[in-house]
Amino acid sequence: DAEITQSPRHKITETGRQVTLACHQTWNHNNMFWYRQDLGHGLRLIHYSYGVQDTNKGEVSDGYSVSRSNTEDLPLTLESAASSQTSVYFCASSERSTGLFGELFFGEGSRLTVL
Amino acid sequence: AQSVSQHNHHVILSEAASLELGCNYSYGGTVNLFWYVQYPGQHLQLLLKYFSGDPLVKGIKGFEAEFIKSKFSFNLRKPSVQWSDTAEYFCAVKRGNNAGNMLTFGGGTRLMVKP
Repeated sequence: DAEITQSPRHKITETGRQVTLACHQTWNHNNMFWYRQDLGHGLRLIHYSYGVQDTNKGEVSDGYSVSRSNTEDLPLTLESAASSQTSVYFCASSERSTGLFGELFFGEGSRLTVL
Repeated sequence: AQSVSQHNHHVILSEAASLELGCNYSYGGTVNLFWYVQYPGQHLQLLLKYFSGDPLVKGIKGFEAEFIKSKFSFNLRKPSVQWSDTAEYFCAVKRGNNAGNMLTFGGGTRLMVKP
């Protein structure tokens, strides 16, 4: 079955370190997204991509970057982790086809703690 | 900027009680509307969606939602909740008919159902 996987599922890091969260989907979806989930804020969009070599900033992109070198992967990098980036991160993907029009499929989340 | 409001942040109900969770959005054009559910420790899953046609949408597990365009609302309902409905519920809105447009999520409503 097609799926979307995130790794690591849990990570503790220190302030100032670079962290990369991996996201891999086997749906062959064009669109991929990174959200962070925080109490009281719901899900907020960090970055998104509509295809290979395409990346766009979302609502809360400061301190984060992404790259899209192939269809399957959209890694999220925190260049210099800050305590404010302690959160649960969700990767999601969607297809342009009519049958899955706009519906997002989510990974299981990556819980990041920055000390 | 488009916003999505979920007015109830926490709801506590007893089993068999009826449920209605509010969702309002601010965008005036064509919208696609979604409700996602996140069970404890799990990723977000699609509960139901509205694209066009009958404004009363039925989803999985006995949930339904009604799109009222004049009120910019898409409230989620269930006539009789079960303990297993304990979860966090997110309303989401996508503008227009372009599958590339990203979803904007509300802040979420945490539902606790007491046995």
